[in-house]
Amino acid sequence: SQQGEEDPQALSIQEGENATMNCSYKTSINNLQWYRQNSGRGLVHLILIRSNEREKHSGRLRVTLDTSKKSSSLLITASRAADTASYFCATDGGQAGTALIFGKGTTLSVSS
Amino acid sequence: NAGVTQTPKFRVLKTGQSMTLLCAQDMNHEYMYWYRQDPGMGLRLIHYSVGEGTTAKGEVPDGYNVSRLKKQNFLLGLESAAPSQTSVYFCASSYSTGPSLYTIYFGEGSWLTVV
Repeated sequence: SQQGEEDPQALSIQEGENATMNCSYKTSINNLQWYRQNSGRGLVHLILIRSNEREKHSGRLRVTLDTSKKSSSLLITASRAADTASYFCATDGGQAGTALIFGKGTTLSVSS
Repeated sequence: NAGVTQTPKFRVLKTGQSMTLLCAQDMNHEYMYWYRQDPGMGLRLIHYSVGEGTTAKGEVPDGYNVSRLKKQNFLLGLESAAPSQTSVYFCASSYSTGPSLYTIYFGEGSWLTVV
């Protein structure tokens, strides 16, 4: 079964607004990652947050992690039309030497 | 630097036919993965490899076989294709699974249709 579950499944906003996506997972983790996928393309790594970190920033991205609630959120500030994509969280299940397990993703649509 | 390259990009198979998807990476990564992506299902792990000569099953391994004879290549085989294997297949690789280095690099995908 899949480890991460993103919420909402789909999100539509206007340019300039902030977009928040949430991810819940089931087991303990060493790290949690967020990836982006443009339509018809492969996934691209955005940001990694370790289990002992609570917040991380990268440009317009802000990721939080709450291990007690087994949840993470991805905030994209001042969204642009080019941010239109699907966003996935992925976790390692807390086991070294295992592969990342991805959630089903949130589809973000930013209109100008 | 090509990164992760998948071939072929598109393929139509008849039920029962066999085929092999080839993945090549030029980043000297130890770990390689095959995922499939279906509408509403996200990415699901088929098989993965933690080094040359090793393979391991993922979430949905049935109907697929893999081989990692060379470090840079990871092959995904369908011995007898079924319509349920119609999907987009993604190969990926990573240097390790350690927290500091565990970024996965994806190929551009292979669209497979089984009729």
